Amino acid sequence: LAKTTQPISMDSYEGQEVNITCSHNNIATNDYITWYQQFPSQGPRFIIQGYKTKVTNEVASLFIPADRKSSTLSLPRVSLSDTAVYYCLVGEYDNQGGKLIFGQGTELSVKP
Amino acid sequence: EPEVTQTPSHQVTQMGQEVILRCVPISNHLYFYWYRQILGQKVEFLVSFYNNEISEKSEIFDDQFSVERPDGSNFTLKIRSTKLEDSAMYFCASSEDLELGGINEKLFFGSGTQLSVL
Repeated sequence: LAKTTQPISMDSYEGQEVNITCSHNNIATNDYITWYQQFPSQGPRFIIQGYKTKVTNEVASLFIPADRKSSTLSLPRVSLSDTAVYYCLVGEYDNQGGKLIFGQGTELSVKP
Repeated sequence: EPEVTQTPSHQVTQMGQEVILRCVPISNHLYFYWYRQILGQKVEFLVSFYNNEISEKSEIFDDQFSVERPDGSNFTLKIRSTKLEDSAMYFCASSEDLELGGINEKLFFGSGTQLSVL
């Protein structure tokens, strides 16, 4: 059972800012939150990672509140090429240890 | 940017046959993974490998599956007797061993091997 919850799909228009929120109520103390992007027939690609507060890179920003039970990926001024599935990942733990499990992701559709 | 390389890009096999999917992880990486994605579904974790042994595996990774790092550069996934339901895109990934700890490291994925079992 995935430990993250995201909207299944979102629509946007070119030039808009897109915010995708992920819930991870049971995140472990040491875990980072990592977001990946996947285009059809390609492997997932790392976008951004953070532990708390705000992280920004050349592609996106990641906002994490103090309780770390959720995070928001912000894509500024999206273009058609940002149409993809976006996944947020945190660790999942069992008696073997930890692993990264992909949830259903958010399918973002950017329209002209 | 360094890449994870997977071969072949497409593999067609008959049910019951053995297949080996090959991956060349990024050279200084120490964690290795296999994931798979059935068409239209989410990416599923299969197995993680560190220090020449399996560190984690999922329920999907049963006795029909095995992984090996035969020569220090390649990382392979073997399916001994393929089933129709093994048809999927198989992704290899690798990550470094930095201070964040394995599960928090950035994963680099290959472009996948599309396996079709007939």
